Amino acid sequence: KQEVTQIPAALSVPEGENLVLNCSFTDSAIYNLQWFRQDPGKGLTSLLLIQSSQREQTSGRLNASLDKSSGRSTLYIAASQPGDSATYLCAVKETSGSRLTFGEGTQLTVNP
Amino acid sequence: KAGVTQTPRYLIKTRGQQVTLSCSPISGHRSVSWYQQTPGQGLQFLFEYFSETQRNKGNFPGRFSGRQFSNSRSEMNVSTLELGDSALYLCASSRPPGQFFSGANVLTFGAGSRLTVL
Repeated sequence: KQEVTQIPAALSVPEGENLVLNCSFTDSAIYNLQWFRQDPGKGLTSLLLIQSSQREQTSGRLNASLDKSSGRSTLYIAASQPGDSATYLCAVKETSGSRLTFGEGTQLTVNP
Repeated sequence: KAGVTQTPRYLIKTRGQQVTLSCSPISGHRSVSWYQQTPGQGLQFLFEYFSETQRNKGNFPGRFSGRQFSNSRSEMNVSTLELGDSALYLCASSRPPGQFFSGANVLTFGAGSRLTVL
């Protein structure tokens, strides 16, 4: 059974810092990996999706990497801003369907 | 274009009642999946529908059911509500796998329906 772990569970940083969020998964036979952002009481916003054949994806200040063989992904956020404060969730898909296995999330606070 | 729409956004029920939640996917998306989010268990997969057929089901009791209509709209139903069913229920839609569109397989989530069971 696939298990997804995110470290750290919570992170507080001053504005402007670069930071890394970690995600690990137990079964490397994944279809893709997706990073989401969730604001309090809201739904999920997709940030980046990495197909199993890819090593990384970039969008603006965000960069996500994937190392399938070691079962790890990282989300790098450059020059953090208070608006980046949210919970970041990593999810893996093992088939071509829509079933995702989520980590518990990292709650990020960026202080002005 | 309109996103995934879930109704109602908030509802309060008592134990033993039943509830129906609705999800309207993005136009052109034919796959709809449902997730339950609780503080203790996190986000867990409930089920997935495509072309009015359930393609996959998570590890939830039979009290949880769903269906999809010909216009791809989906409903989920929870019968005989228990206190532990209090959660944020999220619906996500996507283009079906195999279609050659950029962004295929990316799930787009709705804002969720927050259910409180008293």
